[in-house]
Amino acid sequence: DVKVTQSSRYLVKRTGEKVFLECVQDMDHENMFWYRQDPGLGLRLIYFSYDVKMKEKGDIPEGYSVSREKKERFSLILESASTNQTSMYLCATRRDLRLYEQYFGPGTRLTVT
Amino acid sequence: QKEVEQNSGPLSVPEGAIASLNCTYSDRGSQSFFWYRQYSGKSPELIMFIYSNGDKEDGRFTAQLNKASQYVSLLIRDSQPSDSATYLCAVFSGYSTLTFGKGTMLLVSP
Repeated sequence: DVKVTQSSRYLVKRTGEKVFLECVQDMDHENMFWYRQDPGLGLRLIYFSYDVKMKEKGDIPEGYSVSREKKERFSLILESASTNQTSMYLCATRRDLRLYEQYFGPGTRLTVT
Repeated sequence: QKEVEQNSGPLSVPEGAIASLNCTYSDRGSQSFFWYRQYSGKSPELIMFIYSNGDKEDGRFTAQLNKASQYVSLLIRDSQPSDSATYLCAVFSGYSTLTFGKGTMLLVSP
């Protein structure tokens, strides 16, 4: 079974803070993704990575950055958190970009006050 | 722009009935199709995937794909209250990322 874990289930941060969300997978998958999910807007891709130190912008990268120093670990960074970044953040992994299933972590519900 | 459309619902069915969830997609070159189930407050869980035209069955679930009509569906037989969730359709179109629909909420009443 693919196991994808995220560092926190719930997180509360203040406006302006730098926030780190971490995702770890144990299946040696090349590809990792960060999404946010908001009511009425569905899942939106923030960034993805197809290899160590490689990253690609998704649909909504503004206000975010990512880091992938090791294959199993993909971090999402909010450089200066804002209230409109309050959301559910979901990490996902996929073995092959062209085919195969995509698996999600449990999610981090971030509240920025 | 690639789009995946789903009726937001809720789709209400009685226990034991067949629930039919539908999804249409805009990119005719789409190659693979996925159904995820998401319980409230939880992350999406993959339940079915289909690559070829026709039907694919797995237990109470059947995925149906019609590429000519750009249509994919999920049938849930003998629906149970535990099937109540939001079902997300996702489509891979060959550009590396999945495009997700916004999901259909299913309510199964006892």
